[in-house]
Formats: sequence, C-alpha cells, structure tokens
Amino acid sequence: QKEVEQDPGPLSVPEGAIVSLNCTYSNSAFQYFMWYRQYSRKGPELLMYTYSSGNKEDGRFTAQVDKSSKYISLFIRDSQPSDSATYLCAMWYSSASKIIFGSGTRLSIRP
Amino acid sequence: DTGVSQDPRHKITKRGQNVTFRCDPISEHNRLYWYRQTLGQGPEFLTYFQNEAQLEKSRLLSDRFSAERPKGSFSTLEIQRTEQGDSAMYLCASSADRNTEAFFGQGTRLTVV
Repeated sequence: QKEVEQDPGPLSVPEGAIVSLNCTYSNSAFQYFMWYRQYSRKGPELLMYTYSSGNKEDGRFTAQVDKSSKYISLFIRDSQPSDSATYLCAMWYSSASKIIFGSGTRLSIRP
Repeated sequence: DTGVSQDPRHKITKRGQNVTFRCDPISEHNRLYWYRQTLGQGPEFLTYFQNEAQLEKSRLLSDRFSAERPKGSFSTLEIQRTEQGDSAMYLCASSADRNTEAFFGQGTRLTVV
C-alpha cells in the first residue's frame, strides 16, 4: 500500500464549478500538507501549505486537513480553464528528510 | 533570485552515455532535494542534502547515480551509463529549513535513446 493515495482522474468539470480534489494517507506521523499544481512538462508549483488539521484559504483555493480520518482536500471555487493541470498532494513530518507525493489528479476545466 | 533553476531543460542522450544535470537552489536555502518523475506518476524522492552533506539516498539511486553539492550551493546529479529506463523528468527542490515550504525548479527532461 502506498503511503499517499490520490485518484488519478482525469476529472473534467465545466468552467465556474467547484472542484474537490482529495488524498488519503496511512502514516499518522504526517504533520505538514501541501498541494502543488503542475502544468504539462513543467515543475510542480506550490499552491497551499498547511500544518496539522484545519482549513486554510487563499483566494479561490481552500485546503482542508482531517488528521483523524487521514484525509486532505483541496477545493477550487469558480474554476477557470487556466486551472486545468495535474494537482499533486504532498506531505511530510518534522523529522523526515523527504516529501511524499501522491500520484496526482489530472483536472480539466471545460470552457 | 526568482526561484530554483535547473539546467539543461531537456537532454537527449544515447544509451550508455553519461549525463550531468545542475540545480541552483533559492539563495540561502539549506535543504536541496532531487526527485524523479515519470509520466502519470508523482515525483519520487532520490536524495537530499542539508548544506553540503548528502543525508539520505533512496534505493532508487543506483550506483550509476551520484549527486554532489559542493560548498552547499548548487548541486549536480550525474547518471553514468544511461539506460532507457532512466528517461524521466528530474526535479530539484529547495527549502529554507526543516518543515518549511519546498519549491521546485522546472525540471530536466531526460530522454535516453
């Protein structure tokens, strides 16, 4: 079993819809949670960085962490075609030397 | 400083040749990471430096791979005797310290023919 599981999609939604992207994980030691956006043939771009449980909002993006369920989410409001990309969840813990990534979800926003 | 810089962006090489990639992290970032990403997969950890010390290596990093970070600044990743299975995107990331955000470069796309 992978430490971090993420539905690969693809996920296709109409412009303006609310998008929900999710990851589950197995290691309860994870404390720091990130979402990256990756356009085709580009490096991952950090979108959100959160510590422990709770919500964090940044513009149209909201990251949610539920440590009791080992489940994290990224919500995108008022989705735009420019949001079409692969979204990677990632996480680590305080004594870790590496970030563990999910496999990524391909998202397509239809105009 | 505009971010993590990787060079070259693309490399095509013949099987059996050696290749070297360079990563320039964000200034004053102590931690530097190398990852490999294949199509449809998330990045996989290869190795990690804190300053000039290489502190962890993945078992993905066979003895054909070597990484250095002289003087704790830029880093190089060398692959000797390349194989077709080495074809992937090689990503470099840096962070200021433990538990802070990690920022990635644009990657070096390697194709072994």
